[in-house]
Amino acid sequence: DTEVTQTPKHLVMGMTNKKSLKCEQHMGHRAMYWYKQKAKKPPELMFVYSYEKLSINESVPSRFSPECPNSSLLNLHLHALQPEDSALYLCASSQVRLAPSYEQYFGPGTRLTVT
Amino acid sequence: GQSLEQPSEVTAVEGAIVQINCTYQTSGFYGLSWYQQHDGGAPTFLSYNGLDGLEETGRFSSFLSRSDSYGYLLLQELQMKDSASYFCAVRDTGGFKTIFGAGTRLFVKA
Repeated sequence: DTEVTQTPKHLVMGMTNKKSLKCEQHMGHRAMYWYKQKAKKPPELMFVYSYEKLSINESVPSRFSPECPNSSLLNLHLHALQPEDSALYLCASSQVRLAPSYEQYFGPGTRLTVT
Repeated sequence: GQSLEQPSEVTAVEGAIVQINCTYQTSGFYGLSWYQQHDGGAPTFLSYNGLDGLEETGRFSSFLSRSDSYGYLLLQELQMKDSASYFCAVRDTGGFKTIFGAGTRLFVKA
């Protein structure tokens, strides 16, 4: 199974709402990532978890709160977002060691619209 | 810091060969990767070069010259389904941070 799944596929939320994005993989990968992607732009790294511990936070605003409950799951909790946070949110996973290519497997993304 | 440069758009005809270049500036280097992304889809890993030279995977090949801080992706026998964005990417020194180039949109015409 080389699939990363993400739910929901689409999400529309108001600026006062609280919502969560979910990501799951069963490839045994111990590194998991959240990216934000705007239209016609490259993916922009937000967070990295390694062995379920937060390894990288790219100075992301606190209205985004990641969580890694176990080695297969990754959540992104959203609260009080702004319209400019509307984007495609991508989850990815990869091996930590013994993987010279550090190939990342991406999920299909959640298309988020903040109204 | 890290930066990558690649052309914004390339157009080619079906059956042709196209080369997408990528130049990079990095404080450390852990190899150059290439990803494909169709509109509305997720990025998909295509290839990786850790050492100088050519890597071939079917119709796609990737080349790296570390001395020139340069690489390219070569797509042969172009098909309409190859119309997509192509990103070169590097790993940050010793870590998990992947820096993507701005992407090259490839348009394949009949």
